[in-house]
Amino acid sequence: GAVVSQHPSWVICKSGTSVKIECRSLDFQATTMFWYRQFPKQSLMLMATSNEGSKATYEQGVEKDKFLINHASLTLSTLTVTSAHPEDSSFYICSASKTSGPGDEQFFGPGTRLTVL
Amino acid sequence: GDSVTQMEGPVTLSEEAFLTINCTYTATGYPSLFWYVQYPGEGLQLLLKATKADDKGSNKGFEATYRKETTSFHLEKGSVQVSDSAVYFCARGGAQKLVFGQGTRLTINP
Repeated sequence: GAVVSQHPSWVICKSGTSVKIECRSLDFQATTMFWYRQFPKQSLMLMATSNEGSKATYEQGVEKDKFLINHASLTLSTLTVTSAHPEDSSFYICSASKTSGPGDEQFFGPGTRLTVL
Repeated sequence: GDSVTQMEGPVTLSEEAFLTINCTYTATGYPSLFWYVQYPGEGLQLLLKATKADDKGSNKGFEATYRKETTSFHLEKGSVQVSDSAVYFCARGGAQKLVFGQGTRLTINP
């Protein structure tokens, strides 16, 4: 149990277009979902935290108008990169937790590689 | 702010060697501590965790002990296998968020 999927696994788009990435918890209801960004050979950087039905909480320095997060149900969150540019190329990873305690495990998706030309 | 510092990689060992990957964290509050592993082409998986001082997390032969006095959570395994080749991330949790170390790439040669 506790499987998280992401779609697509990779995407290439032209500069100026928008890209939507889906994150689904397949066999559990996710109280909270998280979106991370990972640059090559670097660590994961938390972008935002979202709870179902409420607005996402963005980390400092993350543009909320550029990275739109929607958490419409307990099993689905989406990240839309609007007007993407080459510097947005990265590996985007989502995770989900079943509850909201401080020591709770997060279950990670396999990631989505975005390349903006 | 909260931070986690990991041993610089990459680390290359021979099969059956002893492994230590160092991890230290900032001591704000009493965070839970985690080790995640990322195998090639896969997402992060929880390897082990500890939620309070002196707790030892263990899984698949890996161990790490929550050391409050040294603010450390070093990962150890007595005899590594080729299948342990992966990237290992130390993380601290608190108020729901996870803060990750930079990751350590481990390669085990047969």
